[in-house]
Amino acid sequence: NAGVIQTPRHKVTGKGQEATLWCEPISGHSAVFWYRQTIVQGLEFLTYFRNQAPIDDSGMPKERFSAQMPNQSHSTLKIQSTQPQDSAVYLCASSWGQGALSAETLYFGSGTRLTVL
Amino acid sequence: GNSVTQMQGQVTLSEEEFLFINCTYSTTGYPTLFWYVQYPGEGPQLLLKVTTANNKGSSRGFEATYDKGTTSFHLQKASVQESDSAVYYCVLARYTGGADRLTFGKGTQLIIQP
Repeated sequence: NAGVIQTPRHKVTGKGQEATLWCEPISGHSAVFWYRQTIVQGLEFLTYFRNQAPIDDSGMPKERFSAQMPNQSHSTLKIQSTQPQDSAVYLCASSWGQGALSAETLYFGSGTRLTVL
Repeated sequence: GNSVTQMQGQVTLSEEEFLFINCTYSTTGYPTLFWYVQYPGEGPQLLLKVTTANNKGSSRGFEATYDKGTTSFHLQKASVQESDSAVYYCVLARYTGGADRLTFGKGTQLIIQP
């Protein structure tokens, strides 16, 4: 089991450019989560999917961020018109999603470090 | 709303010393409580979890007791090793407002000096 795979590990973009981050959850897991991590804010919840359906995107900045899960084997987080304040480590996590998610263990990927110049 | 407080931003110890990391939480009902650990360059990984109030969880020499009375979930280890150097997150999980939510504390950086 390779764990949760995130690509790329590092991405550098210029201000105003688009960034797409990829996540491959653990095979068989039906819940996928996206978090953002910064020194100042710590770990912030962005959004999550269950059985590919978006369940809660309350943490997503509304205007430039979007997430999709077109199939059970991958999810993407897209940031349009990136800004320097978007610089962070973006973490994807998955869990079995078979019962109460609040009691399940999350398995995190190693993250994508996004730097916006 | 839910909240988790870790007052210690950083703890520095020498090998074989006793570790205590403070964590208190605020919520309604009976959440599940976790400790996650994050090593440099990696995502957080589960260290231990406790689903039932007044129970203790343990793993790899670490232990934490879910104390409903004091709303605390402190992490302890009797004798730390240099390999324990990492960031430790106290996490509350609670189904509220129609959605499952994890609330992370700010994290405590543990530095172990050889």
